[in-house]
Amino acid sequence: GNSVTQMEGPVTLSEEAFLTINCTYTATGYPSLFWYVQYPGEGLQLLLKATKADDKGSNKGFEATYRKETTSFHLEKGSVQVSDSAVYFCALNAGNMLTFGGGTRLMVKP
Amino acid sequence: EAGVTQFPSHSVIEKGQTVTLRCDPISGHDNLYWYRRVMGKEIKFLLHFVKESKQDESGMPNNRFLAERTGGTYSTLKVQPAELEDSGVYFCASSATAARTDTQYFGPGTRLTVL
Repeated sequence: GNSVTQMEGPVTLSEEAFLTINCTYTATGYPSLFWYVQYPGEGLQLLLKATKADDKGSNKGFEATYRKETTSFHLEKGSVQVSDSAVYFCALNAGNMLTFGGGTRLMVKP
Repeated sequence: EAGVTQFPSHSVIEKGQTVTLRCDPISGHDNLYWYRRVMGKEIKFLLHFVKESKQDESGMPNNRFLAERTGGTYSTLKVQPAELEDSGVYFCASSATAARTDTQYFGPGTRLTVL
């Protein structure tokens, strides 16, 4: 079946540090890949997505590239801010439903 | 344009009671999904409506859960009778199409606590 594995948190960084959150997947067919973010007290918001191999999704300074050869979709940001503190979820869609990873909590300190 | 809304935001009930959760999708979205996250585990798919029809209910855990979408607009998810292991956050999402490339937009969730 389909599955998503992402690094466990929490990840604690200082402001302006470089961020990488690893995400790998197992899927049948050709899934689309997503990163969702949940800020404190809020629901899930789409952060970025990529729908085919070698596509790069980007938004708010975050980037992730769909790597079919390594079945990965790692999330990166060059300089994090305190406001980026949230839980990040990697997900795939190989049919009609989303399959999520366990979520990674990011804490950014001033 | 209003996003996906869910009601209530929180619900605390006792084991054996009944609870009904409601989801209003984005206007015009034919596809509506229910997911849940229990005990800090992964967010798991429950079911998928296309308009008023259940397209896929493979994630429904057992027959204590009943989802409806009469008229193809809002949806309800009823848990009867509730058990302790049903505690968690229930998310609703909607999308314009069921394509794997389409974005599913999520509501804020309903936090259910069963005592």
